[in-house]
Amino acid sequence: EAEVAQSPRYKITEKSQAVAFWCDPISGHATLYWYRQILGQGPELLVQFQDESVVDDSQLPKDRFSAERLKGVDSTLKIQPAELGDSAMYLCASSPGANTEAFFGQGTRLTVV
Amino acid sequence: AQSVSQHNHHVILSEAASLELGCNYSYGGTVNLFWYVQYPGQHLQLLLKYFSGDPLVKGIKGFEAEFIKSKFSFNLRKPSVQWSDTAEYFCAVKTGGFKTIFGAGTRLFVKA
Repeated sequence: EAEVAQSPRYKITEKSQAVAFWCDPISGHATLYWYRQILGQGPELLVQFQDESVVDDSQLPKDRFSAERLKGVDSTLKIQPAELGDSAMYLCASSPGANTEAFFGQGTRLTVV
Repeated sequence: AQSVSQHNHHVILSEAASLELGCNYSYGGTVNLFWYVQYPGQHLQLLLKYFSGDPLVKGIKGFEAEFIKSKFSFNLRKPSVQWSDTAEYFCAVKTGGFKTIFGAGTRLFVKA
C-alpha cells in the first residue's frame, strides 16, 4: 500500500537553529498538506499545495517558516530560527485532489530545547 | 470563525459497550465530513467520510456516523467496542474553500 513518507521521524534542535523536514507524498497526488499538531490538539493546517503552487498558507508563520514543492512532488518545510513554542508533531499529508480525503504520513516530532 | 468541536476529550469504556463520540461544526455552507483514527504508534487514517447522499455512512471496523445538517453534527457510533478500538479519534470538516479543520480529538480507552 502506498504511503506518505516523512523524514526525520524525530528531531531535537536548539532554539535559534534552523530545522527542515521532508515529505514524499503518494505518487500521483496533486495536493500536499503540512499540518502542525500540538499535544492535546488536532492537526492545524500550515500550508497546502496544489502541484507546485501554494493555495493556502494563511496559518504559516511566514517570518520563520517556509515551505516549497518545487517540482510538484516532494516538499520541504523549514523553520529558521526555531523557537521553544515550535515543539510539536509536524504532519505531511497528500490527496489526489483538494476535495478528497487526505492520507497522512507518520509525522516528524520536533523538540526545541 | 469556522470550528469543529468534539465534546469528549477522554472516554473510557468496557469491551462490548456502545460508543458515541460527538462532533459539531460551525460553517453554514456545503461541507465534507470525516472521521480519522490514530491507533497507538500509527499514523492518522481515514475511518469514514461523508460527501453527499445517505447521511448515515458506514466505515471500516463497524463504525458509522450520521450527518444531521440541522444540528451541524456528525457523530461517530459503534454498537460494540473492542479493546483494539483504543485510539484517538478526530472529526474533520472540509469547507467550500477545501480547507480542512480538525477537532481536538477524543482519546478512547477500551478496557478488556
